[in-house]
Amino acid sequence: ELKVEQNPLFLSMQEGKNYTIYCNYSTTSDRLYWYRQDPGKSLESLFVLLSNGAVKQEGRLMASLDTKARLSTLHITAAVHDLSATYFCAVDRANFGNEKLTFGTGTRLTIIP
Amino acid sequence: DAGVIQSPRHEVTEMGQEVTLRCKPISGHDYLFWYRQTMMRGLELLIYFNNNVPIDDSGMPEDRFSAKMPNASFSTLKIQPSEPRDSAVYFCASSSPRLAERGNEQFFGPGTRLTVL
Repeated sequence: ELKVEQNPLFLSMQEGKNYTIYCNYSTTSDRLYWYRQDPGKSLESLFVLLSNGAVKQEGRLMASLDTKARLSTLHITAAVHDLSATYFCAVDRANFGNEKLTFGTGTRLTIIP
Repeated sequence: DAGVIQSPRHEVTEMGQEVTLRCKPISGHDYLFWYRQTMMRGLELLIYFNNNVPIDDSGMPEDRFSAKMPNASFSTLKIQPSEPRDSAVYFCASSSPRLAERGNEQFFGPGTRLTVL
């Protein structure tokens, strides 16, 4: 069974600080996805990481993937209040017939002014 | 593109009533997923379809839940009879794995917030 763990589950950080959210998964996977969910809203795709060593950046967020360590990180640089949300990672298996994603429990991020 | 469309956005019903949730996937997407999200259980995959055919319904909680996809542009999730513990946000998502550069990226609808009294 594919398991996805995120840590921390809750994170409060001050504006302007840097921090990293970690996503570990239990079995071989080449691909990892990051989503953002604002309170009361739906999930929005942030990054798609399709190979070992992949790095994607958008604004103050940067995601990376290490398939050998079965680890992805979401790094937040100089946090601003607008980044407050719940962040989910998800993995799949890059084989035909395994198109579903297994999601982590989410990291609730609160940016404090 | 309008994205994934779900209706209704909010549903309040009484225990024992039938509830039908609707979803229109993104045009051209051949996978459709139904999820349920609660504070206690997080995000759960209920069922998913490929080309209108159910592939995996192992997440459907019990026989009171059923899902159909009569054509490529429409799916329903039905709960009959509904119970208070079914109260949750139900999301529909679609994907098109043929877009190799995006893998199995799923696009989520706005969700239906269901309250069963």
